[in-house]
Amino acid sequence: QQQVKQSPQSLIVQKGGISIINCAYENTAFDYFPWYQQFPGKGPALLIAIRPDVSEKKEGRFTISFNKSAKQFSLHIMDSQPGDSATYFCAASTHENSGYSTLTFGKGTMLLVSP
Amino acid sequence: GAGVSQSPRYKVAKRGQDVALRCDPISGHVSLFWYQQALGQGPEFLTYFQNEAQLDKSGLPSDRFFAERPEGSVSTLKIQRTQQEDSAVYLCASSLASWGALGNTIYFGEGSWLTVV
Repeated sequence: QQQVKQSPQSLIVQKGGISIINCAYENTAFDYFPWYQQFPGKGPALLIAIRPDVSEKKEGRFTISFNKSAKQFSLHIMDSQPGDSATYFCAASTHENSGYSTLTFGKGTMLLVSP
Repeated sequence: GAGVSQSPRYKVAKRGQDVALRCDPISGHVSLFWYQQALGQGPEFLTYFQNEAQLDKSGLPSDRFFAERPEGSVSTLKIQRTQQEDSAVYLCASSLASWGALGNTIYFGEGSWLTVV
């Protein structure tokens, strides 16, 4: 059972455009929603994250929109640049009773920003 | 070091061979995670350590997979009798705190790319 569903699988955006990646989750216990950026041959790197008590978080050109009732969240990249070309993963975690939590990842979106 | 360091970066193993993958987390990080990332997929959780204690190994796919962190710092993921389906990138990650991920950033290494032929 895939707990975090991510779409689209791939995305091509022109330079200066807006890139939008969507994720949906099933586990209502999730309480932390990060987005990771991964370049080829590198490990995932945290880009931006949100908790369910806010509906939007913005950091520079990157914005997370969160809809708790719909159990959906999305990443918006404004003024997309060729350097943003990478694979983006949404993830979710829950604060387990044992005092730690692990990340459940979506399958990823390959973003290509054309010059 | 400045980040999570993994070695070897690339490993080609013959089917049936045993392999050992090493992770050196960020100094002082209490939590250590191993993830498996198949080609074109997102990382999937394998196991978690809090210091030297392995608190969760529910993601290990079979008893051929074994992980340890004997002194609470460096960790080793061992795969016995490798199979072709074990081919993947094995990612190690660490975080400072021992409690849940609310605002606790998890830092990933660059991964060990395992190919079983």
